Amino acid sequence: DIQMTQSPSSLSASVGDRVTITCRASQSISSYLNWYQQKPGKAPKLLIYAASSLQSGVPSRFSGSGSGTDFTLTISSLQPEDFATYYCQQSLYTFGQGTKLEIK
Amino acid sequence: QLQLQESGPGLVKPSETLSLTCTVSGGSISSSSYYWGWIRQPPGKGLEWIGSIYYSGSTYYNPSLKSRVTISVDTSKNQFSLKLSSVTAADTAVYYCARGSVTTSWGNWGQGTMVTVSS
Repeated sequence: DIQMTQSPSSLSASVGDRVTITCRASQSISSYLNWYQQKPGKAPKLLIYAASSLQSGVPSRFSGSGSGTDFTLTISSLQPEDFATYYCQQSLYTFGQGTKLEIK
Repeated sequence: QLQLQESGPGLVKPSETLSLTCTVSGGSISSSSYYWGWIRQPPGKGLEWIGSIYYSGSTYYNPSLKSRVTISVDTSKNQFSLKLSSVTAADTAVYYCARGSVTTSWGNWGQGTMVTVSS
């Protein structure tokens, strides 16, 4: 089974900061990597699919990169509504453990 | 606009079978090139993919749950269902249904339904 490992598990940042979250796969997954945002009590929301494609309606401050085993999600300038938990996912299958982004 | 809505018992006894249904509106469950799936989230924990069914009827299950999971589609009702047998307290979670596309991502989600396993 492919394992997905995110780092860090939690992160404190301020509005306007540039933030990067990393996801590593236990074996190559090509570009089959998605990123989701989840707020408390809500269903996850797709942000990025195929490693770097922005889902329709998602602000351009979100971007994704990587291929093979190493991937990153970058938020270029944090907004108040971005404080949430972020998950990576290999294709339709295994999720990372999540990264909780908190206000500093 | 596509909408998904989970339904089913909120309380299931240990060793029994958890059964949930996802009703799809605003789109046909028979549409080609879509996956329909279940994902769960135990309280305070992360997301776990349970399984998926392709529009063709092919199923894919999480290896850790495969022996207990069945996902099926009822095209006449535009619904798909999850059955998880021999449940324990570890199966207590919010259960989400979702639609996946050729981009191999879950782009549409239901609001989720909490299922508690307890006697």
